[in-house]
Amino acid sequence: GQNIDQPTEMTATEGAIVQINCTYQTSGFNGLFWYQQHAGEAPTFLSYNVLDGLEEKGRFSSFLSRSKGYSYLLLKELQMKDSASYLCAVMDSNYQLIWGAGTKLIIKP
Amino acid sequence: GAVVSQHPSRVICKSGTSVKIECRSLDFQATTMFWYRQFPKQSLMLMATSNEGSKATYEQGVEKDKFLINHASLTLSTLTVTSAHPEDSSFYICSAREGTSGGAPYEQYFGPGTRLTVT
Repeated sequence: GQNIDQPTEMTATEGAIVQINCTYQTSGFNGLFWYQQHAGEAPTFLSYNVLDGLEEKGRFSSFLSRSKGYSYLLLKELQMKDSASYLCAVMDSNYQLIWGAGTKLIIKP
Repeated sequence: GAVVSQHPSRVICKSGTSVKIECRSLDFQATTMFWYRQFPKQSLMLMATSNEGSKATYEQGVEKDKFLINHASLTLSTLTVTSAHPEDSSFYICSAREGTSGGAPYEQYFGPGTRLTVT
């Protein structure tokens, strides 16, 4: 079956760095997405990786290793507004997104 | 660019009635639209995928006679929850895919969601 695993909840301090991991097993691979979702709102796109390596976009970076079925989202200089759920999703061979359950990130002052 | 709107944002209805939710792509043509349901503290659950002009493909366990999806044009899809029951209360989110290459290919753009409460 298809499976996406990510931690349920993480806590970090304002100004610090946090890494959210995601491991996956899917039928085919056409890229991995990270989305941010604030409570009661729809997800917003953060990043897309289809090749191995690190993609940096401002305070957020995303890493992919296809051979290991592994990705992480790195958030630097954490701000209180970064408190949200972070969803990892993999696009399978049918171009369908398979979603992880999300990681709730709590930022403390 | 790539804005998806959803209407209504919140709706309360009585058990047994039907509710229609609209999803529109405002500045692009959506070849494919997706409907998701999300219960509190859970991830998105794909309900169905629809391509313009053809019947929707429903995920296993989703009743197609209860959740009617119409993708009549490249910018509009509707989800109708028929004979709603309290267990249908959820956050319904649509997303649209342009299907072009470049940038983040096959990226889905999400609508703001519709909070349905069935009393």
